[in-house]
Amino acid sequence: EVQLVESGGGLVQPGGSLRLSCAASGFTFSSYEMNWVRQAPGKGLEWVSYISSSGSTIYYADSVKGRFTISRDNAKNSLYLQMNSLRAEDTAVYYCAREHSNFISSSWYCWFDPWGQGTLVTVSS
Amino acid sequence: DIQMTQSPSSLSASVGDRVTITCRASQSISSYLNWYQQKPGKAPKLLIYAASSLQSGVPSRFSGSGSGTDFTLTISSLQPEDFATYYCQQSYSTPKVTFGPGTKVDIK
Repeated sequence: EVQLVESGGGLVQPGGSLRLSCAASGFTFSSYEMNWVRQAPGKGLEWVSYISSSGSTIYYADSVKGRFTISRDNAKNSLYLQMNSLRAEDTAVYYCAREHSNFISSSWYCWFDPWGQGTLVTVSS
Repeated sequence: DIQMTQSPSSLSASVGDRVTITCRASQSISSYLNWYQQKPGKAPKLLIYAASSLQSGVPSRFSGSGSGTDFTLTISSLQPEDFATYYCQQSYSTPKVTFGPGTKVDIK
């Protein structure tokens, strides 16, 4: 069974740091691009960061650029998100999601499947 | 950045109703549009990819259509387990994807 399990969330003070982990199983982790997506309480989904299968290509949303660092360890089938200089507005459930791509009608399409169950990060004093 | 909008933001419907949700992109995204379902306290689940392709295991009462800037998700006969929030996502600007604000479907 393909599975993603996040951990590392919790309560942290503004300006603090936290490291999230996402453990993958049931598929060849090193073959897939991965993403972090967050959801503030009662709000919609916000893409946070992307990492290529090898880890050589990385992108961030403007809202977290310079504060968050995505990484992966393919030997450990794990994805990480190091979050520094945390702000109240970073409070959210953080999901890891596998990016799946397929060639359809002469074009490459991608989507997120599956998603982990999420881990809650609360930034508050 | 490509902005996504959805309408309505919420709707009330009865079991057996036909439900249609609309998603609009701020620029043409061809067919680079996915739909997800999210139930309270749960992770999003993929329903439709590439605008109209049904994900394996998803009931055939779900369908997607559209291209360019306007897309629809249709539930042909609403079932009790379909009460949830639905999000569209554009993957045209991958990896910097964006989601719509969501449409909450609840019981009438």
